Amino acid sequence: SAVISQKPSRDICQRGTSLTIQCQVDSQVTMMFWYRQQPGQSLTLIATANQGSEATYESGFVIDKFPISRPNLTFSTLTVSNMSPEDSSIYLCSATGWRSYNEQFFGPGTRLTVL
Amino acid sequence: RKEVEQDPGPFNVPEGATVAFNCTYSNSASQSFFWYRQDCRKEPKLLMSVYSSGNEDGRFTAQLNRASQYISLLIRDSKLSDSATYLCVVNTREYGNKLVFGAGTILRVKS
Repeated sequence: SAVISQKPSRDICQRGTSLTIQCQVDSQVTMMFWYRQQPGQSLTLIATANQGSEATYESGFVIDKFPISRPNLTFSTLTVSNMSPEDSSIYLCSATGWRSYNEQFFGPGTRLTVL
Repeated sequence: RKEVEQDPGPFNVPEGATVAFNCTYSNSASQSFFWYRQDCRKEPKLLMSVYSSGNEDGRFTAQLNRASQYISLLIRDSKLSDSATYLCVVNTREYGNKLVFGAGTILRVKS
């Protein structure tokens, strides 16, 4: 089955800086997504990464704070901009399309700590 | 009201026990339903989809009641390895994907 990888797996960053997270899928998929999981909480969808066009953001998330790229079918990036301690979270990439349209498979996540 | 609600637990059960988790969802137009499993410090993994007729996969049985907007997961003959957080997940978009995750139910199986 296809594998999703993310880089970095974790990082500790200073307030005011930005971090770009990469997500790579080893086979072509139809849809890719970015989620956030804050400590002790469940997953929240940030946006759908659209190939070759602007991402579709969920309520409460904006492009200036979380710019997303998806230049091809197997790769996407999420940038967390101008970070604050409230951005400390796990960021997960997911994809769908291998078996059925509705089932999503997740990358291992990026654990971000902002000081 | 949260879109997907679960009892957070934890459920502490002995090996071999049968345990049931419940979940309710608020969007009556929801299209598809899933149970995911998340181990500590790991990503969520699909456990099973939930179909209207109910479905079974080994020791796991999932049920859906659309009229009551209620989903359940039954685990029989619990194993130590079943210890995890079980996430109730609902796809709320008719077209495209928007998965809404419940907060999860913690299961601890003890010997």
